[in-house]
Amino acid sequence: QVQLVQSGAEVRKPEASVKVSCKASGYTFTSYYMHWVRQAPGQGLEWMGVISPTTGNTKYAQTFQGRVTMTRDTSTSTVYMELSSLRSEDTAVYYCARGGTSTWYRDFDCWGQGTLVTVSS
Amino acid sequence: EIVLTQSPGTLSLSPGERATLSCRASQSVSSSYLAWYQQKRGQAPRLLIHDASSRATGIPDRFSGSGSGTDFTLTISRLEPEDFAVYYCQQYGTSPLTFGGGTKVETK
Repeated sequence: QVQLVQSGAEVRKPEASVKVSCKASGYTFTSYYMHWVRQAPGQGLEWMGVISPTTGNTKYAQTFQGRVTMTRDTSTSTVYMELSSLRSEDTAVYYCARGGTSTWYRDFDCWGQGTLVTVSS
Repeated sequence: EIVLTQSPGTLSLSPGERATLSCRASQSVSSSYLAWYQQKRGQAPRLLIHDASSRATGIPDRFSGSGSGTDFTLTISRLEPEDFAVYYCQQYGTSPLTFGGGTKVETK
């Protein structure tokens, strides 16, 4: 079955960086775009960006431009999301979510379990 | 950016009742590219409806979506105990992809 398994919780100090992984299984990794979405405690969902596992091309939300980097490793069917210059407002659960095939303008039909990133001095 | 406004913020209902959730967009959603997700406490969101009215795989038929343009609705015909959760709408027709603020369906 389709599964996205994310790395474990992280704690970082302000100004540090964090890198979260998302390992896909149960489908052809290169066939589907992968998105990242975050959710601050008690808040709603915020789209961060998307990566094409085939080409590595990315599209980031303006809010995160310059601070986020999404990459992938096709040999291990894993995508990564690195967020730098962390501040307390970045404390959130970060999700990877599978998107469409031929276009990234699609719904998210499978989500990872989430990774809590806590930013605290 | 398309802003999605969900209403009401909280819906207090009893099992067996009908739930009607609204999602209004600040501008027309391209090709009715609108989805609904259910999120239970401590869990990741789950896709319920895509393309405004198509049920995702394995979703019971008590869940239905409708609407086009700027006004969309999620209806749960008869609430089951497991349906009490937070529901989010999302548009994926225009970048950036955006979500509504959510509607919490709670037990009355």
